[in-house]
Amino acid sequence: QVQLVESGGGVVQPGRSLRLSCAASGFSFSSYAMHWVRQAPGKGLEWVAVISYDGRNKYYAESVKGRFTISRDNSKNTLYLQMNSLRVEDTAVYYCARVGFVGAIFRTFDIWGQGTMVTVCS
Amino acid sequence: QSVLTQPPSVSAAPGQRVTISCSGSSSNIGNNYVSWYQQLPGTAPKLLIFDNNKRPSGIPDRFSGSKSGTSATLGITGLQTGDEADYYCGTWDSSLGLLYVFGAGTKVTVL
Repeated sequence: QVQLVESGGGVVQPGRSLRLSCAASGFSFSSYAMHWVRQAPGKGLEWVAVISYDGRNKYYAESVKGRFTISRDNSKNTLYLQMNSLRVEDTAVYYCARVGFVGAIFRTFDIWGQGTMVTVCS
Repeated sequence: QSVLTQPPSVSAAPGQRVTISCSGSSSNIGNNYVSWYQQLPGTAPKLLIFDNNKRPSGIPDRFSGSKSGTSATLGITGLQTGDEADYYCGTWDSSLGLLYVFGAGTKVTVL
């Protein structure tokens, strides 16, 4: 079955780094663009970044630009989010999500993972 | 402050109908498809409506979407207790580069 499973979350101090992973299964991962979306405790959804199916195109939210890097390894069916210079305000559940159309970037998210919690505190 | 404006909450009795509005601008809703996502308590979001008014496989026809100009609406008929959740609209925005924007979410309460 189509599935996304995030991992790599945890507690980290401000200024440190963390790398999240999202393992995909049940579909042709290399054919779909992928997103990261986060949700701070008790807050709404915030889009973080998107990467095209081939990894050539990447877009970021202003709040993370220059600090976070989205990447993918299609041979491993895995999406990544490298988070550097972490801030307290980056504390959130991080979800990976699939774009619902083969080859497209600017469309809806049809499959979501269960999320991984990142806590930034001193 | 979200780019897309949703009411914080709506409520109705079981079996009734509710609508949730999502107001934006020409840089987002006015020129892009709108999606709606349902988030049940403690779970990940789930796609409810895409391309303004299309339902993914498995989503009952009690849920409907529409768009007019720079606003979109989600409708839920035959409200059930299992529909209690947060609902988010979302779309692409081109005003400051290319980015995806969500509304702040609307809490649906079944009385």
